[in-house]
Amino acid sequence: DSGVTQTPKHLITATGQRVTLRCSPRSGDLSVYWYQQSLDQGLQFLIQYYNGEERAKGNILERFSAQQFPDLHSELNLSSLELGDSALYFCASSASDRYNEQFFGPGTRLTVL
Amino acid sequence: GENVEQHPSTLSVQEGDSAVIKCTYSDSASNYFPWYKQELGKRPQLIIDIRSNVGEKKDQRIAVTLNKTAKHFSLHITETQPEDSAVYFCAASMGGGADGLTFGKGTHLIIQP
Repeated sequence: DSGVTQTPKHLITATGQRVTLRCSPRSGDLSVYWYQQSLDQGLQFLIQYYNGEERAKGNILERFSAQQFPDLHSELNLSSLELGDSALYFCASSASDRYNEQFFGPGTRLTVL
Repeated sequence: GENVEQHPSTLSVQEGDSAVIKCTYSDSASNYFPWYKQELGKRPQLIIDIRSNVGEKKDQRIAVTLNKTAKHFSLHITETQPEDSAVYFCAASMGGGADGLTFGKGTHLIIQP
């Protein structure tokens, strides 16, 4: 157990819908990262937040957005969902003073029908 | 942006033999190189990492080597055991706490009894 929690574990929805994935980082970690894992694209970095502020952006679509709240939990919002958005979404966290040593949560499996 | 190539995509070894997985990266600014192990349906787990000021690092049966001049790094697993069977990912980042990880496509390691 990495100490990073994610909810829900599974999510099934329809095309065009909007969903919110939630992540709580390890105690004391200020950085939260979101990754998407799919068979064709592999593991891809989406976005990073540090202590409430956006810190780095990866291959995140405009239909996706994220935020980090004062209690440091983070939410990833996916809207206008398409079949191709079906994937495993992982959250990872790291302490602010470490060299990007990231610990992953258990993931949310999103299925878009 | 950074690009990480990983080889081989599948590696089958006899139990007790050694396994080597190789990665190359493109961005000379990258200075942090972690390796993750992912079992089916589970989260990626950090198993070892190396920073650019170090050439080699060992932790029991696993070791990682880094050649910054050639921009490649490798994972070595000795005395392989059945529980080593998993998908292994290499990754690279600029570190410093403000950068996501760029992952390779993964290596499926199969330990034959």
